This record gives sequence, structure tokens and C-alpha cells, in this order.
Amino acid sequence: SQTIHQWPATLVQPVGSPLSLECTVEGTSNPNLYWYRQAAGRGLQLLFYSVGIGQISSEVPQNLSASRPQDRQFILSSKKLLLSDSGFYLCAWSLGTVEKLFFGSGTQLSVL
Amino acid sequence: AQSVTQPDIHITVSEGASLELRCNYSYGATPYLFWYVQSPGQGLQLLLKYFSGDTLVQGIKGFEAEFKRSQSSFNLRKPSVHWSDAAEYFCAVGAPSGGFKTIFGAGTRLFVKA
Repeated sequence: SQTIHQWPATLVQPVGSPLSLECTVEGTSNPNLYWYRQAAGRGLQLLFYSVGIGQISSEVPQNLSASRPQDRQFILSSKKLLLSDSGFYLCAWSLGTVEKLFFGSGTQLSVL
Repeated sequence: AQSVTQPDIHITVSEGASLELRCNYSYGATPYLFWYVQSPGQGLQLLLKYFSGDTLVQGIKGFEAEFKRSQSSFNLRKPSVHWSDAAEYFCAVGAPSGGFKTIFGAGTRLFVKA
């Protein structure tokens, strides 16, 4: 069966520090991969999605970047975190073009 | 581009009462519509989805939703709410453009009182 791993679960980082969040999917091949951010009291904002290795689409101009070095690995990064980067980050995957999303358990990022 | 509006930020219902959560979408073609539920500090779980066919779809945990094209709506319903249904509910619309991008509404927080 397919599983999605996202870590760490919680992260506290100072302003200006770098960020690397990792997400891996097991049990499937060539998934579509997504990063969403959920700010307090707000919905899910799509940040990046990827349909294949090295193919990244950015939805919102911001301080973050994403990479997909391997088929089932999706990484969210920042060189210098801002206070506004705080939030709950969710990784998700899907197959094909008409399918539901499977979500990881999320990373709560606090930038202080 | 697609968009989703959930007009109710939070709703409180009594246990055993019926529930309806509203969702309106905007999309130029036939939409792919979803409802997800999120427990505190967790990821999202799919409740149900609509792609085509019968406009009344059944989901898990006794939930159902009705697609109304004329109203651009996809409201979620449950005839009798249980305390364990307290969570945040997200409506989403998908577009099969280069890998199926899913856009979520702002969510509705459901509180259940005894």
C-alpha cells in the first residue's frame, strides 16, 4: 500500500535561517506531488506542484522553493525564513489527472 | 482559474441535529469537486468526490453532497451529527491542467455541542 512520510512534525526556526522540509512517497510510481501551506484560520494555499522529476510549478511568488530530486521525493526549501513563513505545511500526492489527494501528517513551522 | 468559497468560517450544531456546509465554486468547465476533513494537527482525509454522473454523492462517515450546476454549489450534508464529527471541513475543486491542480476553500470549522 502507498504511504507518505513528511518530517519533521514540528520545527521552530529563527528569522533568517534556512529551511528544508522533506516528503517521500512509498508504494507508487510517478506520483503528482504537492506542497500546501495552511496559515492559522485560513484555508490551504497551494505553493508548488510537480508532475515529474525536476518539473516544478510555483503557484505563489514567495520566499520558498521546491525541488524534486527523485521520483518520490519532494523538498520544500528556503534560504532565509521570514516571520510570514510560519504555518502548517502539508505535502500531498496523487496519481493521474483526476484523482484525490493523499496528505501527509504535516509540519508545524514556527518562525521566531 | 478555479476558486472555491466557503461562506461559513465556523458552524455550531447540536449532537443529533442535521448539518449542511456550504460550498460555491468557480470554474469554466465541468469541475471535479471534493470535500475533505481535517482533525486538529493532522493532514486531510477525503470524505467524498464528484466527477460526473449522479449529482448526489455518498461519502464516508455518513456524509453526502449534492452538485448543483445552476448554483455552482457543492454543499455537504449529514442527517445526524455525532460529537466525533467536530473538525474542519474543506471544499476543493480540481482542474486537470498539467497534473491536476486542486484548489481549496478557506474551510469551515464545525463545533458539536452536547
